[in-house]
Amino acid sequence: GAGVSQSPSNKVTEKGKDVELRCDPISGHTALYWYRQRLGQGLEFLIYFQGNSAPDKSGLPSDRFSAERTGESVSTLTIQRTQQEDSAVYLCASSLYRGGNQPQHFGDGTRLSIL
Amino acid sequence: AQSVSQHNHHVILSEAASLELGCNYSYGGTVNLFWYVQYPGQHLQLLLKYFSGDPLVKGIKGFEAEFIKSKFSFNLRKPSVQWSDTAEYFCAVSRSNDYKLSFGAGTTVTVRA
Repeated sequence: GAGVSQSPSNKVTEKGKDVELRCDPISGHTALYWYRQRLGQGLEFLIYFQGNSAPDKSGLPSDRFSAERTGESVSTLTIQRTQQEDSAVYLCASSLYRGGNQPQHFGDGTRLSIL
Repeated sequence: AQSVSQHNHHVILSEAASLELGCNYSYGGTVNLFWYVQYPGQHLQLLLKYFSGDPLVKGIKGFEAEFIKSKFSFNLRKPSVQWSDTAEYFCAVSRSNDYKLSFGAGTTVTVRA
């Protein structure tokens, strides 16, 4: 499709398990972002990728969170040893290139529930 | 750290009523301003954006927003809402040349037919 694709759309897992979330950006978009949205709150920036540059990981809340992206393609966000406070919607966005005036295009998100 | 405040958590109004959603930000430098909308069951979509120039910007579906620099505000307006405008609306701000977006907590708008 033409939009940002995320999978799975929903994930329910037990506390302590590892989870992997996937994002497929719009073709040709060099910039990719991960956000987290907790219930009743705005989006929190997690991590940013731009081409082959070193990612900006400044928003990752702990060392249990990590993300990878190969070139300008798919990205995966991994949460190890999940905790209940990790329950949220995880959103991925992409933009044509880096820049404050570049609109970001969002996927449908992955709703993560930790039991 | 930059913060974005949306004044209303939930707004309920009838069709044909006028809508105004407030958004204020804390950063004092040059900013890029956005309003995103999320319709039920859909992903976030860009409604409109402001980078420079005319502070009154027009977006899709009859929405407009006015940037008032002295008030650090970027309020969203629509003169006459429709039932299909029921959605969650998010204000977002980035510093000039910075890719990081700071989002407000969102305002849920419910339009009654």
